[in-house]
Amino acid sequence: EIVLTQSPGTLSLSPGERATLSCRASQSVSSSSLVWYQQKPGQAPRLLIYGASSRATGIPDRFSGSGSGTDFTLTISRLEPEDFAVYYCQQYGSSPRYTFGQGTKLEIK
Amino acid sequence: EVQLVESGGGLVKPGGSLRLSCAASGFTFSNVWMSWVRQAPEKGLEWVGRIISKIGGGTTDYAAPVKGRFTISRDDSKNTLYLQMNSLRTEDTAVYICATHHTEATLGSWGQGTLVTVFS
Repeated sequence: EIVLTQSPGTLSLSPGERATLSCRASQSVSSSSLVWYQQKPGQAPRLLIYGASSRATGIPDRFSGSGSGTDFTLTISRLEPEDFAVYYCQQYGSSPRYTFGQGTKLEIK
Repeated sequence: EVQLVESGGGLVKPGGSLRLSCAASGFTFSNVWMSWVRQAPEKGLEWVGRIISKIGGGTTDYAAPVKGRFTISRDDSKNTLYLQMNSLRTEDTAVYICATHHTEATLGSWGQGTLVTVFS
């Protein structure tokens, strides 16, 4: 089973700053299978990035994804107030089919 | 606009059963793969299971913790997804969320979820 470990657990930044969130897999993951979601309190998760680097429809270009193999990164170039949320990475594999990281909470400093 | 509305959650004792529903609108439900994901209180996301479209074979797949206890089905005539949960355990307590598949690997649109609490 592939385990995804996200770091840091909590990231405290100010609006306008750059955020870098990490997702590390216990085994190599196909880039096409690495996904990022955003979840705000009381809301459903929202698809941000799929295929490691493709933005979903309507996602601002300040969000970008990169990485390959076991190390993937979600970068938010300049934080807006609405970006403070919990971010999850997810991979698609064989068993279990879909595995999530434990999440990174991005909070306002 | 895609809408997914879950219902059927509630309080149940260990060993009990519950059936959740997810009413879908705003897209051609029959063509879309669907998954259930759960989120325990103050915890992260955990995939529960998936059903592919009937045209794709309609097969199901489950996470190990629920395999043999949970069953996913769909009624394309009613645009509704179901999750039958049997032999419930306290560790099944969570908000259960249905989601569409954007791609095989990706969950596109998500509902708000319905809370299932298993306690004695």
